Amino acid sequence: EDQVTQSPEALRLQEGESSSLNCSYTVSGLRGLFWYRQDPGKGPEFLFTLYSAGEEKEKERLKATLTKKESFLHITAPKPEDSATYLCAVAAGGSYIPTFGRGTSLIVHP
Amino acid sequence: DTEVTQTPKHLVMGMTNKKSLKCEQHMGHRAMYWYKQKAKKPPELMFVYSYEKLSINESVPSRFSPECPNSSLLNLHLHALQPEDSALYLCASSQEGRGQETQYFGPGTRLLVL
Repeated sequence: EDQVTQSPEALRLQEGESSSLNCSYTVSGLRGLFWYRQDPGKGPEFLFTLYSAGEEKEKERLKATLTKKESFLHITAPKPEDSATYLCAVAAGGSYIPTFGRGTSLIVHP
Repeated sequence: DTEVTQTPKHLVMGMTNKKSLKCEQHMGHRAMYWYKQKAKKPPELMFVYSYEKLSINESVPSRFSPECPNSSLLNLHLHALQPEDSALYLCASSQEGRGQETQYFGPGTRLLVL
């Protein structure tokens, strides 16, 4: 069975303190790995799609990387407005429908 | 434009009421989804429509009835819900081909069942 595991479950950072979130996956035939940001009570906001090992994408303070077993979402010099839940999802094999991880709740203190 | 719209934003209903949630996208996506999300949990897949036909029903109770009137619209009809159905209901859309699986989500409808 395909599995997507995110760690840590929760992360508290001081403003400016860079860190990384992890998404590890065990699937056959990766089709795509997706990162979303979700604020409380709102729909997930698309951040990145990664397709193959070695791929990297950046957006403002966020950088997503992909290996054959995991993806990292690096947050450089975070600000309080980066506080949110970050969701990872993976589509694999013959299905275009992604499986979601449980998310990492990030709080950035000023 | 990667916008998915949902109405209403909030809904309060009694257990005997009938109501509908609506979703719309104009990205030309042929797959549309309904998810249910409880607090501090990931989205839970309910239904998938592919080319306007129901392709996946994740054993959802019959008090939830989906409908896809055309390629841009998705409805979720609600009847005789239970308090435990209170949640954030999310609509999403995507394409199906390789390299096109990225889902775009709407803002959600926050449902409270009394």
